[in-house]
This record gives sequence, structure tokens and C-alpha cells, in this order.
Amino acid sequence: DTEVTQTPKHLVMGMTNKKSLKCEQHMGHRAMYWYKQKAKKPPELMFVYSYEKLSINESVPSRFSPECPNSSLLNLHLHALQPEDSALYLCASSQATAASGANVLTFGAGSRLTVL
Amino acid sequence: DQQVKQNSPSLSVQEGRISILNCDYTNSMFDYFLWYKKYPAEGPTFLISISSIKDKNEDGRFTVFLNKSAKHLSLHIVPSQPGDSAVYFCAARDGGATNKLIFGTGTLLAVQP
Repeated sequence: DTEVTQTPKHLVMGMTNKKSLKCEQHMGHRAMYWYKQKAKKPPELMFVYSYEKLSINESVPSRFSPECPNSSLLNLHLHALQPEDSALYLCASSQATAASGANVLTFGAGSRLTVL
Repeated sequence: DQQVKQNSPSLSVQEGRISILNCDYTNSMFDYFLWYKKYPAEGPTFLISISSIKDKNEDGRFTVFLNKSAKHLSLHIVPSQPGDSAVYFCAARDGGATNKLIFGTGTLLAVQP
């Protein structure tokens, strides 16, 4: 299994809602990532988990709350979002954060979030 | 401050010809450079990488060239095929234990049949 699976593919939520994005990989990777991509912009790193511990938070607002329940799963909990948070949220995984070589990230297809 | 730049937002090439996508960077501490391809409604797919200590890496129709003195890399696709039409992102890895990738703005490649 060489895939990263993200659910849901599309999510529409109001500014007062609480929702979650989910990501799963079964490649034995020990590093998982959340990226955010706005239209016509490059993906921007939000969070990195290494061995199920948060290792990087790129100064992301607290209305985004990541969680890594185990080595295969990564969640992004959303609460009180703003319309400007509408974007494609990409999950990725890699062997580790400090592996040798290129340590390629494998991305999921993304979750398209619209905040009304 | 954009550390990785792709100055051509789009490129159109005839099928069978060479496609050359360019990327410039500013941080000399990047240790790996990667190219990803992205189709609409899909996540980025890894294509090819190059270490900062190399100047060329080839994989089938794809070749990446690195010019460290100019802080410039390019992706060559030969021959180009209509299925290559996608957005291509250059990405640079922040050397160290974080494996942080910094992406360029992307180039939309259109290969005309």
C-alpha cells in the first residue's frame, strides 16, 4: 500500500462548526505532515509529526488543532474557522523526518474545505 | 520572502519536443531539491529529486540539472507527452532533521498534441 488516504474529499462548514479532517497511511512511515494550499499558490507547511509527536507548528492559529492518535493516522480538528481558511488541505507522510536521502513526501489527494 | 521561485507561471510545448521547467532558490543550506507534478483535484506526486552535491539526475524521460553557483535548477522532459500536462512544483528541503519542504509557486505545463 503506497497511498495516503484523506477524508472527506470535500467539506463545507460554517464559522461556528467543529469538524475534523482525517488522514491515513499504511506505508510504515513515521513522519506525517499537514500542508495548506490556496488557489494558485504553493503548498505551505502547517504541522509536522515525528514518531507521533508534534515536532513543527508553523505558527498556525489555534483554531486548527492537529492530532496523531497512532503512527498511521493524522487528524486536523477545525473549530471557529474563518472564510479565509478555505483551501485545499494536504496530508503527507515520509519515512521519518531525519532519514537519509531525499526522504520523499507522499501526498494524499487533499480535502477541499469551504468555510461559509 | 519567497525562497523558491518558479518565474514562469505557464509553459506550452508541442508533443514530442523538450519541456524545460526552471526554478531558482535563495537559501544555500537546502540539501535536496525535488520536483512534484500535480493534476487538478489530486495531491502532488513525486517525480525526481537531486542532492545538492550532484549536478544531474536522470530517470527515464525526466532529467534534473542543478547549478549551485547560480542557485538554479531545471527539469527537462524529453519527449513531452500530452499526459505530462499538469502543474509542476519545485521544492527544496531545509537541511537538517525537520525534512521541511519549501515549494515554489508552480508552472502549468500544457503539452499540445
